[in-house]
Amino acid sequence: AQRVTQPEKLLSVFKGAPVELKCNYSYSGSPELFWYVQYSRQRLQLLLRHISRESIKGFTADLNKGETSFHLKKPFAQEEDSAMYYCALSGRIQGAQKLVFGQGTRLTINP
Amino acid sequence: DVKVTQSSRYLVKRTGEKVFLECVQDMDHENMFWYRQDPGLGLRLIYFSYDVKMKEKGDIPEGYSVSREKKERFSLILESASTNQTSMYLCASSLIRWGQGVYSGANVLTFGAGSRLTVL
Repeated sequence: AQRVTQPEKLLSVFKGAPVELKCNYSYSGSPELFWYVQYSRQRLQLLLRHISRESIKGFTADLNKGETSFHLKKPFAQEEDSAMYYCALSGRIQGAQKLVFGQGTRLTINP
Repeated sequence: DVKVTQSSRYLVKRTGEKVFLECVQDMDHENMFWYRQDPGLGLRLIYFSYDVKMKEKGDIPEGYSVSREKKERFSLILESASTNQTSMYLCASSLIRWGQGVYSGANVLTFGAGSRLTVL
C-alpha cells in the first residue's frame, strides 16, 4: 500500500542544533515527495519538493530511493522553525493521481 | 492576497444537523480538495474534484458529500453531522490537472485557512 510515515509525532531541539525530521514512504513507482509546513495560526503551505533540489529557509531534503526516505534537515535550528511539518507523496494510486500525507511532526525549537 | 477562502473559520453544530462548508479559490485552478486534519492522523483526503461537476472519493468519504457547480467553488456537505466529524477541515486547490490518466509534475496545493467544526 502507498504510505507516508513520519515516525516522530513530536520533536524538540535547542536553537542552533541540527534538526532532522524523518519521512519514509512506500510506493511502487517513482514518487514525487514534498514537505509542507504549518506555522502557528498560519495556513499549511509548501516548504519544498524533491524535484526542485533547493534549500528553503535553510532546509534541505534528499530523496533516497534505496532507503525510501525523504528526511528534512537543517544544520542550525532557529526558533521560527517551530511548526507542524508534513511529508507528502504524490503518485498514481488506485488509478488516479493522489497526494498522500504523513501523520505530521510537531517541531519545537527551544531557546 | 488571499487565494483560497473558506467561508467559516469556526462552526458549532448539533448531532444530526446538516452542515455546509464552502470554499472559493480565485486562481482559476482546475483541482480542488477537501481534507480533514486530526492530531496524530495527519491530513486525510475526503473528496476531490478536477473539473466542474466532477468529483472523486478520497480516503474517507463516508458521511460526506461534495458539490462543484462552478470552477471556483467547492462545497463539503455533512448530511447528518456526528460527533466523530468534529475536526479541522482544510480546502485546497491546485493548477495541474489531477485525476484519471493525466499526470504532471508540480502537484503543489494552495490551502485555505481551515474551518474548525465542533459537533455536539
